Amino acid sequence: DTEVTQTPKHLVMGMTNKKSLKCEQHMGHRAMYWYKQKAKKPPELMFVYSYEKLSINESVPSRFSPECPNSSLLNLHLHALQPEDSALYLCASSQDPGRLNEQFFGPGTRLTVL
Amino acid sequence: TQLLEQSPQFLSIQEGENLTVYCNSSSVFSSLQWYRQEPGEGPVLLVTVVTGGEVKKLKRLTFQFGDARKDSSLHITAAQTGDTGLYLCAGLTNTGNQFYFGTGTSLTVIP
Repeated sequence: DTEVTQTPKHLVMGMTNKKSLKCEQHMGHRAMYWYKQKAKKPPELMFVYSYEKLSINESVPSRFSPECPNSSLLNLHLHALQPEDSALYLCASSQDPGRLNEQFFGPGTRLTVL
Repeated sequence: TQLLEQSPQFLSIQEGENLTVYCNSSSVFSSLQWYRQEPGEGPVLLVTVVTGGEVKKLKRLTFQFGDARKDSSLHITAAQTGDTGLYLCAGLTNTGNQFYFGTGTSLTVIP
């Protein structure tokens, strides 16, 4: 299995809602990532988990809360988001955050905040 | 400021034409990757280059890593409509603990 899966594919939420994005990989990768991407722009790194521990938080607002329940799963909990948080949220994984760092991406969750 | 600058930012060409996308930096990278992203999908890894001066070919795509490992290029021969997408370079700095995406090149191939 060489796939990273993400659910849901689309999500519309109000500013007072609480929702979660899910990401799963079964490639035995030990590093997992959350990115935010606006249209025709490069992905912006949000969080990195290495061996199930949060290793990088790129000064992301606390309304985004990541969680790594095990080495195959990564969640992003959303609460009290703003309309400017609307974007494509991408999950990725890599063998480990080492020299090559080749990342495999999921298809993303298209989030719209009303 | 972006560590990896790509040029051009946007490119629209006719099917059958050739093109080159550049990825430049003042920093040294231990490895550099190229990804292609189609609308509504995640980026897909095309190639990784690790040795200065390295050239890799993937069908009609040719990737080159600069001798000093500070820049890279992607050349597409006889572009097809299926090549349309956002092309992203990405690199791991020489210190090994920072990974950056380039600014992106949006390519449209017109039939």
